[in-house]
Amino acid sequence: DIQMTQSPSSLSASVGDRVSITCRASQDITTWLAWYQQKPGKAPKSLIYRASTLQSGVPLRFSGSGFGTDFTLIISSLQPEDFATYYCQQYQTYPLTFGGGTKVEI
Amino acid sequence: EVQLVESGGDLVLPGGSLRLSCAASGFSFNNHWMKWVRQAPGRGLEWVANIKQDGSERFYVDSVKGRFTISRDNTQNSLFLQMNSLRAEDTAVYYCARGPPGENDGDCNLWGRGTLVTVSS
Repeated sequence: DIQMTQSPSSLSASVGDRVSITCRASQDITTWLAWYQQKPGKAPKSLIYRASTLQSGVPLRFSGSGFGTDFTLIISSLQPEDFATYYCQQYQTYPLTFGGGTKVEI
Repeated sequence: EVQLVESGGDLVLPGGSLRLSCAASGFSFNNHWMKWVRQAPGRGLEWVANIKQDGSERFYVDSVKGRFTISRDNTQNSLFLQMNSLRAEDTAVYYCARGPPGENDGDCNLWGRGTLVTVSS
């Protein structure tokens, strides 16, 4: 199975900060990577697919990059509604696997 | 409105069975891969099962193989998960999610609100 490792597991930030979250795959997944946002008590929401393509309606302050095993989600200017937990997921190979999550809090 | 609505979650005894349903609306259900993803209380996301548009391909995480069965009814725009021999570790919110159209599976681009399954005596 492909292991997905996110770092950090949590971070504290302020409105307006630039935030960076890293996701590392245990083997090459080229760009078969997605990012999701989940707020407490809510369903996940898709942000990015193919490592860097924003889903329709996702604000441009979100961006994704990476190839192979190392990927990054960046929030260029953190907004109050961005405080949430973020997950990466690989879909190169079954079983599909998620990272452990990164909680972004104040 | 484009949406997925799950139902069927309940409290069930260990060893029991449960059938989850997911009603899709607002998009061409039969064009998309569909999935079940679960989240145990206070834990992260775990993919459970996938099914191709015509049901010809199905994939499962190892921990549910032989116990869970994913299926779909394209005439009713519905996705199902039959869960047998339930264990305490199956306790989770179960999300229905939409995959991409086309030949190959991919990410989860639309999620339902989830339904809670609790396995406990």
